Amino acid sequence: GAVVSQHPSRVICKSGTSVKIECRSLDFQATTMFWYRQFPKQSLMLMATSNEGSKATYEQGVEKDKFLINHASLTLSTLTVTSAHPEDSSFYICSANGGVAEQYFGPGTRLTVT
Amino acid sequence: GNSVTQMEGPVTLSEEAFLTINCTYTATGYPSLFWYVQYPGEGLQLLLKATKADDKGSNKGFEATYRKETTSFHLEKGSVQVSDSAVYFCALSDRTGTASKLTFGTGTRLQVTL
Repeated sequence: GAVVSQHPSRVICKSGTSVKIECRSLDFQATTMFWYRQFPKQSLMLMATSNEGSKATYEQGVEKDKFLINHASLTLSTLTVTSAHPEDSSFYICSANGGVAEQYFGPGTRLTVT
Repeated sequence: GNSVTQMEGPVTLSEEAFLTINCTYTATGYPSLFWYVQYPGEGLQLLLKATKADDKGSNKGFEATYRKETTSFHLEKGSVQVSDSAVYFCALSDRTGTASKLTFGTGTRLQVTL
Protein backbone atom coordinates (compact mmCIF):
# COMPACT_ATOMS: atom_id res chain seq x y z
CA GLY A 1 0.00 0.00 0.00
CA ALA A 2 0.82 3.71 0.00
CA VAL A 3 2.23 3.90 -3.51
CA VAL A 4 2.92 7.24 -5.15
CA SER A 5 3.63 7.48 -8.86
CA GLN A 6 5.06 10.29 -10.95
CA HIS A 7 4.81 10.86 -14.65
CA PRO A 8 6.90 11.28 -16.65
CA SER A 9 10.00 9.78 -15.12
CA ARG A 10 12.21 11.75 -17.49
CA VAL A 11 11.49 14.69 -19.74
CA ILE A 12 13.62 16.82 -22.02
CA CYS A 13 12.22 20.11 -23.21
CA LYS A 14 13.41 23.19 -25.01
CA SER A 15 14.03 26.46 -23.26
CA GLY A 16 10.90 28.59 -23.12
CA THR A 17 8.41 25.74 -23.16
CA SER A 18 6.30 24.49 -20.27
CA VAL A 19 6.36 21.04 -18.73
CA LYS A 20 3.75 19.35 -16.56
CA ILE A 21 4.64 16.68 -14.01
CA GLU A 22 1.95 14.53 -12.44
CA CYS A 23 1.98 13.01 -8.98
CA ARG A 24 -0.60 10.39 -8.09
CA SER A 25 -1.41 8.49 -4.94
CA LEU A 26 -2.44 5.10 -6.30
CA ASP A 27 -4.06 3.35 -3.37
CA PHE A 28 -4.92 6.07 -0.90
CA GLN A 29 -6.33 9.57 -0.81
CA ALA A 30 -3.80 12.28 -0.18
CA THR A 31 -5.07 15.36 1.57
CA THR A 32 -1.65 16.96 1.27
CA MET A 33 1.08 16.61 -1.31
CA PHE A 34 4.54 18.11 -1.26
CA TRP A 35 6.85 19.02 -4.11
CA TYR A 36 10.61 18.89 -3.70
CA ARG A 37 13.55 19.73 -5.88
CA GLN A 38 16.83 17.91 -5.62
CA PHE A 39 20.07 19.12 -7.13
CA PRO A 40 22.83 16.64 -7.94
CA LYS A 41 24.37 15.18 -4.81
CA GLN A 42 22.35 17.49 -2.60
CA SER A 43 19.43 17.23 -0.29
CA LEU A 44 15.78 17.76 -1.06
CA MET A 45 14.51 21.30 -1.03
CA LEU A 46 10.82 21.71 -0.28
CA MET A 47 9.23 23.88 -2.95
CA ALA A 48 5.60 23.92 -1.94
CA THR A 49 2.81 22.22 -0.04
CA SER A 50 -0.46 21.61 -1.81
CA ASN A 51 -3.75 20.77 -0.16
CA GLU A 52 -6.61 19.36 -2.17
CA GLY A 53 -8.97 22.05 -3.32
CA SER A 54 -6.94 25.02 -2.14
CA LYS A 55 -3.98 27.07 -3.27
CA ALA A 56 -0.52 25.76 -2.73
CA THR A 57 1.75 27.22 -0.09
CA TYR A 58 5.14 28.05 -1.52
CA GLU A 59 8.41 28.14 0.37
CA GLN A 60 10.37 31.31 0.50
CA GLY A 61 12.28 31.96 -2.70
CA VAL A 62 10.15 29.70 -4.89
CA GLU A 63 8.39 31.57 -7.71
CA LYS A 64 4.74 30.59 -7.66
CA ASP A 65 4.14 31.95 -11.16
CA LYS A 66 6.93 29.80 -12.52
CA PHE A 67 6.10 26.60 -10.66
CA LEU A 68 2.35 26.19 -10.91
CA ILE A 69 0.85 23.60 -8.60
CA ASN A 70 -2.63 22.20 -8.87
CA HIS A 71 -4.15 19.66 -6.47
CA ALA A 72 -7.55 19.16 -8.02
CA SER A 73 -8.36 15.79 -6.50
CA LEU A 74 -7.38 13.67 -3.53
CA THR A 75 -5.20 11.47 -5.75
CA LEU A 76 -3.58 13.91 -8.15
CA SER A 77 -1.30 16.91 -7.92
CA THR A 78 0.48 18.50 -10.86
CA LEU A 79 3.54 20.72 -11.07
CA THR A 80 3.92 22.81 -14.19
CA VAL A 81 7.26 24.44 -14.86
CA THR A 82 6.42 27.40 -17.04
CA SER A 83 8.82 28.98 -19.52
CA ALA A 84 11.50 26.52 -18.51
CA HIS A 85 15.16 27.48 -18.62
CA PRO A 86 18.30 25.36 -18.28
CA GLU A 87 18.65 26.36 -14.64
CA ASP A 88 15.31 24.63 -13.97
CA SER A 89 16.89 21.31 -14.89
CA SER A 90 16.68 19.17 -11.80
CA PHE A 91 15.16 16.11 -10.17
CA TYR A 92 11.64 16.85 -8.96
CA ILE A 93 10.12 14.60 -6.32
CA CYS A 94 6.63 14.62 -4.90
CA SER A 95 5.34 13.09 -1.71
CA ALA A 96 1.89 12.51 -0.35
CA ASN A 97 0.22 11.69 2.90
CA GLY A 98 -3.28 10.71 3.81
CA GLY A 99 -3.58 12.62 7.04
CA VAL A 100 -0.86 10.95 9.08
CA ALA A 101 2.66 12.19 9.77
CA GLU A 102 4.41 9.87 7.32
CA GLN A 103 5.05 11.00 3.77
CA TYR A 104 5.21 8.59 0.85
CA PHE A 105 7.51 9.60 -1.95
CA GLY A 106 7.19 9.26 -5.68
CA PRO A 107 10.08 7.94 -7.78
CA GLY A 108 10.97 11.39 -9.08
CA THR A 109 11.03 13.13 -12.46
CA ARG A 110 14.25 14.21 -14.07
CA LEU A 111 13.78 17.39 -16.06
CA THR A 112 16.38 18.51 -18.56
CA VAL A 113 15.92 21.85 -20.29
CA THR A 114 18.03 22.37 -23.39
CA GLY B 1 13.94 27.01 12.83
CA ASN B 2 14.35 23.28 12.41
CA SER B 3 17.55 21.83 11.05
CA VAL B 4 19.20 18.46 10.56
CA THR B 5 22.94 17.87 10.40
CA GLN B 6 24.39 14.69 8.98
CA MET B 7 27.93 13.50 8.71
CA GLU B 8 29.39 14.20 5.33
CA GLY B 9 30.12 11.35 3.03
CA PRO B 10 30.91 9.46 1.10
CA VAL B 11 31.28 6.58 3.50
CA THR B 12 33.05 3.60 2.00
CA LEU B 13 32.92 0.27 3.80
CA SER B 14 33.72 -3.31 3.07
CA GLU B 15 30.89 -5.81 3.10
CA GLU B 16 30.00 -7.02 6.60
CA ALA B 17 31.50 -3.93 8.23
CA PHE B 18 29.68 -1.98 10.94
CA LEU B 19 27.92 1.19 9.83
CA THR B 20 27.23 4.37 11.75
CA ILE B 21 25.88 7.52 10.13
CA ASN B 22 25.58 10.38 12.57
CA CYS B 23 22.58 12.67 12.64
CA THR B 24 21.78 15.51 15.01
CA TYR B 25 18.88 17.88 14.92
CA THR B 26 17.60 21.21 16.15
CA ALA B 27 13.88 21.62 16.60
CA THR B 28 11.28 23.30 18.71
CA GLY B 29 8.82 21.01 20.36
CA TYR B 30 8.86 17.26 19.92
CA PRO B 31 9.60 16.23 16.36
CA SER B 32 9.33 12.82 14.77
CA LEU B 33 12.57 11.56 13.28
CA PHE B 34 13.10 9.56 10.11
CA TRP B 35 15.75 7.90 8.02
CA TYR B 36 15.08 7.71 4.30
CA VAL B 37 17.12 5.84 1.70
CA GLN B 38 17.52 6.80 -1.94
CA TYR B 39 18.85 4.34 -4.47
CA PRO B 40 20.38 5.68 -7.70
CA GLY B 41 17.81 7.31 -9.96
CA GLU B 42 14.94 6.67 -7.59
CA GLY B 43 12.83 8.58 -5.10
CA LEU B 44 13.05 8.23 -1.35
CA GLN B 45 11.95 5.25 0.65
CA LEU B 46 11.25 5.37 4.34
CA LEU B 47 13.77 3.19 6.13
CA LEU B 48 12.72 3.69 9.74
CA LYS B 49 11.22 6.23 12.09
CA ALA B 50 10.80 7.15 15.74
CA THR B 51 8.12 9.43 17.10
CA LYS B 52 9.21 10.08 20.67
CA ALA B 53 12.24 10.13 22.92
CA ASP B 54 13.93 6.77 23.54
CA ASP B 55 11.99 5.10 20.71
CA LYS B 56 14.09 2.81 18.56
CA GLY B 57 13.23 2.52 14.90
CA SER B 58 14.42 -0.57 13.06
CA ASN B 59 14.10 -2.13 9.63
CA LYS B 60 16.18 -4.44 7.42
CA GLY B 61 18.91 -4.64 10.05
CA PHE B 62 19.17 -0.87 10.42
CA GLU B 63 18.47 0.79 13.77
CA ALA B 64 18.30 4.30 15.15
CA THR B 65 17.36 5.51 18.62
CA TYR B 66 15.72 8.87 19.32
CA ARG B 67 17.99 10.54 21.89
CA LYS B 68 16.43 13.73 23.15
CA GLU B 69 19.24 14.52 25.58
CA THR B 70 21.81 14.59 22.77
CA THR B 71 19.33 15.58 20.02
CA SER B 72 20.59 12.71 17.92
CA PHE B 73 19.24 9.91 15.75
CA HIS B 74 22.29 8.01 14.54
CA LEU B 75 21.77 5.22 12.01
CA GLU B 76 23.53 1.90 12.61
CA LYS B 77 23.78 -1.48 10.98
CA GLY B 78 25.87 -4.34 12.25
CA SER B 79 26.85 -5.84 8.90
CA VAL B 80 26.39 -3.93 5.65
CA GLN B 81 25.88 -5.50 2.25
CA VAL B 82 26.71 -4.26 -1.22
CA SER B 83 22.99 -3.78 -1.79
CA ASP B 84 22.94 -1.17 1.00
CA SER B 85 24.90 1.22 -1.22
CA ALA B 86 22.69 4.29 -1.48
CA VAL B 87 22.23 7.79 -0.12
CA TYR B 88 20.76 8.02 3.37
CA PHE B 89 18.82 11.05 4.55
CA CYS B 90 17.99 11.92 8.11
CA ALA B 91 14.84 14.02 8.50
CA LEU B 92 12.47 15.43 11.06
CA SER B 93 8.87 16.49 11.00
CA ASP B 94 7.61 19.00 13.43
CA ARG B 95 4.22 17.54 14.10
CA THR B 96 2.73 14.13 14.53
CA GLY B 97 -0.72 12.95 13.60
CA THR B 98 -1.16 15.42 10.79
CA ALA B 99 0.47 16.50 7.60
CA SER B 100 3.66 18.35 8.34
CA LYS B 101 6.81 19.47 6.58
CA LEU B 102 9.92 17.39 6.55
CA THR B 103 13.31 18.96 7.10
CA PHE B 104 16.11 16.91 5.55
CA GLY B 105 19.78 16.62 6.22
CA THR B 106 22.17 16.86 3.30
CA GLY B 107 22.36 13.10 2.83
CA THR B 108 25.22 10.67 3.29
CA ARG B 109 26.33 8.48 0.43
CA LEU B 110 27.26 4.94 1.43
CA GLN B 111 29.36 2.77 -0.85
CA VAL B 112 29.83 -0.84 0.16
CA THR B 113 32.48 -2.89 -1.61
CA LEU B 114 33.20 -6.61 -1.71
